[in-house]
Amino acid sequence: AQKVTQAQTEISVVEKEDVTLDCVYETRDTTYYLFWYKQPPSGELVFLIRRNSFDEQNEISGRYSWNFQKSTSSFNFTITASQVVDSAVYFCALSGGGGSTLGRLYFGRGTQLTVWP
Amino acid sequence: GAGVSQTPSNKVTEKGKYVELRCDPISGHTALYWYRQSLGQGPEFLIYFQGTGAADDSGLPNDRFFAVRPEGSVSTLKIQRTERGDSAVYLCASSLTIVTEAFFGQGTRLTVV
Repeated sequence: AQKVTQAQTEISVVEKEDVTLDCVYETRDTTYYLFWYKQPPSGELVFLIRRNSFDEQNEISGRYSWNFQKSTSSFNFTITASQVVDSAVYFCALSGGGGSTLGRLYFGRGTQLTVWP
Repeated sequence: GAGVSQTPSNKVTEKGKYVELRCDPISGHTALYWYRQSLGQGPEFLIYFQGTGAADDSGLPNDRFFAVRPEGSVSTLKIQRTERGDSAVYLCASSLTIVTEAFFGQGTRLTVV
């Protein structure tokens, strides 16, 4: 079964602090894909990143970075020098690589990040 | 269009009525998905299409829910005999293929009173 756990329901930080959002996943697939999406108050889910299970290299994009560790089944997301505009709900998601799990996204419950000025 | 478009953005209907929700995907995207999001939850998968056919409809909660994509582009999610528990935001997404990232529309907020 596919499962994504985001243990942090809410996080509050002050602007310019670094913050890490945790994501732990479960899957029996050897090929799978991991995603992060941002959902601002407007409601639209915004795609941030997609990684496949064979690529464990960490990735940095501006103030965003992602740490993928297969050994701990984690795909954590760090925002450096947070800004008020980063306030949103962040979702981690998993998609299988074949069969009945291919195509569909399994989402965690999300982490509400609030950045105070 | 540039992004995934969903109409209407809001729909209020009476219990027992029939509703249709429309999704216009990104041009050229072969895969189209429907999700449902309740307050405080992550989106839950309903169905996805590869071209015109429903490749996986295992997430549809019961036979009151049905979706079509007759020409491989626009899709319609149909809900018969709506119930108050159907109230949620219905999200549509599309992707170039089923292994590439999905882009979401702004959703349709359905309220059944």
